[in-house]
Amino acid sequence: QSVLTQPPSASGTPGQRVTISCSGISSNIGSNTVNWYQQLPGTAPKLLIHSNNQRPSGVPDRFSGSKSGTSASLAISGLQSEDEADYYCATWDDSLNTWVFGGGTTLTVL
Amino acid sequence: EVQLVESGGGLVQPGGSLRLSCVGSGFTFSSYSMNWVRQAPGKGLGWVSYINSDSRTMDYADSVKGRFTISRDNAKNTLYLQMNSLRDEDTAVYYCAREWGVGWRRSLDYWGQGTLVTVSS
Repeated sequence: QSVLTQPPSASGTPGQRVTISCSGISSNIGSNTVNWYQQLPGTAPKLLIHSNNQRPSGVPDRFSGSKSGTSASLAISGLQSEDEADYYCATWDDSLNTWVFGGGTTLTVL
Repeated sequence: EVQLVESGGGLVQPGGSLRLSCVGSGFTFSSYSMNWVRQAPGKGLGWVSYINSDSRTMDYADSVKGRFTISRDNAKNTLYLQMNSLRDEDTAVYYCAREWGVGWRRSLDYWGQGTLVTVSS
């Protein structure tokens, strides 16, 4: 059981816009910034979004993040086949004093 | 270019020990806190352990407390995870990850490629 709640799966067709949600509580998402990671099959997680909505250098602007209260979202616009991957949200939890992760969302491009 | 390279994984029997290493390059290793994160086969990510830049502060997930020890050698740009009394449920790919930021704004911004630990008789 993950501390942060994500839908297990999401899907879309090429060119579509897809959103993935991440739900937490006051001690984690409510108090700290949210990060999003992309994990392509057989590879390590890669930082996609940090500080709720900031893209590291090299991440396409098709990826965007937002946060409101104790929930966050990752949006992917102009969906491409190469976006098929697992996506994880993560943040620090002030009560647990640990990093906490969502269970991951597997994105399928139909 | 920031790089983190793990090594030391392998097959070990339950109750056995293993030491993982993670060598950092392309950044000032001694300036950053570091973490270990693991991923069991087919499962999600789980935080394992944290160490700050000067080794004054360490922390562990409850599931590994008392069995795993994190350490670092800043002169060698290397992070370690000593794993003792290994259990079947410790089977996972272990990633080292650099921590950026402080307080309410932080991120695990760079990850190694991972090293597989398999605990089985």
